[in-house]
Amino acid sequence: EDQVTQSPEALRLQEGESSSLNCSYTVSGLRGLFWYRQDPGKGPEFLFTLYSAGEEKEKERLKATLTKKESFLHITAPKPEDSATYLCAVQSTSGTYKYIFGTGTRLKVLA
Amino acid sequence: DGGITQSPKYLFRKEGQNVTLSCEQNLNHDAMYWYRQDPGQGLRLIYYSQIVNDFQKGDIAEGYSVSREKKESFPLTVTSAQKNPTAFYLCASRYEGRPYNEQFFGPGTRLTVL
Repeated sequence: EDQVTQSPEALRLQEGESSSLNCSYTVSGLRGLFWYRQDPGKGPEFLFTLYSAGEEKEKERLKATLTKKESFLHITAPKPEDSATYLCAVQSTSGTYKYIFGTGTRLKVLA
Repeated sequence: DGGITQSPKYLFRKEGQNVTLSCEQNLNHDAMYWYRQDPGQGLRLIYYSQIVNDFQKGDIAEGYSVSREKKESFPLTVTSAQKNPTAFYLCASRYEGRPYNEQFFGPGTRLTVL
């Protein structure tokens, strides 16, 4: 069964304290892995798509990486405005329509 | 500006009422989706549609219905048969065709049963 597990559930960082969020996945075949940012009471905002192991994508203080079993979202020198829930989702090759979402990591960056 | 709009932002339903949530996109996307989000759970798929006049049930379709009469619109009706409808509802769309596999989401509708 396709599955996505995110860890930790919650993370508190001091401003400038770099860290990583983890997304472990089990799929029959990976079509794509997606990272989203979600602020309270709002819809998820698309960040990155990763397609194959070894791929990396960067945007400002965020960098996403992918292996055959997991993805990491690295946050370098975070700021309070980076506080949000970060969601990971996968799309398997067994179907073009379905996306499996993790439960997210709630990130709080303290000034 | 291209994007996905959902209305209303907040919706209150009495027991036994049907309510309809609106979702409109002007991204010229082919596929549209409805998800439900509850605290501590991942997004769960209610219905999806890949083309006009065609849609399929997702994992939790019971108590919900949809229509897809226009490419731009994918309304969701929460019927009285849905026993626990209080949740945050998200509409998403996607362009068919690699490499554009990512979904884009609307701002959401929070439904509360009184």
